[in-house]
Amino acid sequence: DAEITQSPRHKITETGRQVTLACHQTWNHNNMFWYRQDLGHGLRLIHYSYGVQDTNKGEVSDGYSVSRSNTEDLPLTLESAASSQTSVYFCASSESLQGPGGPQHFGDGTRLSIL
Amino acid sequence: GENVEQHPSTLSVQEGDSAVIKCTYSDSASNYFPWYKQELGKRPQLIIDIRSNVGEKKDQRIAVTLNKTAKHFSLHITETQPEDSAVYFCAASSTGTASKLTFGTGTRLQVTL
Repeated sequence: DAEITQSPRHKITETGRQVTLACHQTWNHNNMFWYRQDLGHGLRLIHYSYGVQDTNKGEVSDGYSVSRSNTEDLPLTLESAASSQTSVYFCASSESLQGPGGPQHFGDGTRLSIL
Repeated sequence: GENVEQHPSTLSVQEGDSAVIKCTYSDSASNYFPWYKQELGKRPQLIIDIRSNVGEKKDQRIAVTLNKTAKHFSLHITETQPEDSAVYFCAASSTGTASKLTFGTGTRLQVTL
């Protein structure tokens, strides 16, 4: 069965360190998304990609970067981790559709703690 | 950009009662409205969605209604069961930004025995 996998599931790191969270999907979806989830804020979009070599900033992109070198992977990098980036991070993917958007499939999330 | 507001933030109902969660959106171009259920510690999972050419959609005990004029949509759960307890998120997206969803802040539903 097709799946979307995030790793690691849990990570603890220190402020100032570079951190990369992995996201791998086998749906063969062109669209991939990264969200952070914080209490009271729901899911907020960090970055997204509509295909290989395409990346776009979401509403909370400061301090984060992504790259898309193939269809399956969209790694999220925190350049210099800050305590404010402690959160649960979700990756999602969806099929490209003409017209209205389509359903997004989510990974299991990565719980990131920055001390 | 799109702004989605969701109410209430918490909702407690007795088993067997109905639950209604409401969302409003700001971008009149939005035309796709999914609802996600997230159990504690789990991933958000799509439970139902509706497109703007439809006013209502039903799937067993859950239904979604859409009022494009008023720019609001609602999730209705009938005959609630303890396993319906979770956080529910609404979202909206528009054709111009295909597949990019803006989420509401979530409703924590508690179904009590």
